Amino acid sequence: DIQMTQSPASLSASLEEIVTITCQASQNIGNWLAWYQQKPGKSPQLLIYGTTSLADGVPSRFSGSRSGTQYSLKISRLQVEDIGIYYCQQASSTPPTFGSGTKLEIK
Amino acid sequence: EVQLVESGGGLVQPGRSLKLSCAASGFTFSNYGMAWVRQTPTKGLEWVASISTGGGNTYYRDSVKGRFTISRDNAKNTQYLQMDSLRSEDTATYYCARPSVRYYWYFDFWGPGTMVTVSS
Repeated sequence: DIQMTQSPASLSASLEEIVTITCQASQNIGNWLAWYQQKPGKSPQLLIYGTTSLADGVPSRFSGSRSGTQYSLKISRLQVEDIGIYYCQQASSTPPTFGSGTKLEIK
Repeated sequence: EVQLVESGGGLVQPGRSLKLSCAASGFTFSNYGMAWVRQTPTKGLEWVASISTGGGNTYYRDSVKGRFTISRDNAKNTQYLQMDSLRSEDTATYYCARPSVRYYWYFDFWGPGTMVTVSS
């Protein structure tokens, strides 16, 4: 199975700050990478798919990028509603696998 | 509005069975594959199984092959997960998830989840 190593495990940032979360794939997955947000007590929601494409209704302050097998999720101006846990997921091969999550809090 | 609502979770003894259901609404169910994803505090998110639009193709993670069966009834807009020979490591919140219509392994809608606890 492809391993997705996510960092950091937790992150505390101030409102309006730029936040970056990274995910390292254990092998080449091309652009088959998604990001999900899970708000407290809720189910995950798709944020980004195909490394860079925003899902419907996702604010433009979210963006995704790739450098080799390292993938990044950037929040350009952190808002209070962005708190939660963020997960990456590879969709390149079966089984699809998820990162361990990054818990984002407001400082 | 897309809605996925799971049911059937609960407390079950090791070795016993449980059947989860997921009722879908707000979209043309028969046009989408469907999936189950589970979550635990220790293992995080794990894909469990997927099924094609007509039900003819099914996919499972290795640890549940031969024990879990995914199925669907397009007339009832419902998918199911039959879980047999349950183990303590199957304890998790189980989410019904809808794959994107274009990209099978991205999950664009999730239900609220149903908790399964396997314990004696």
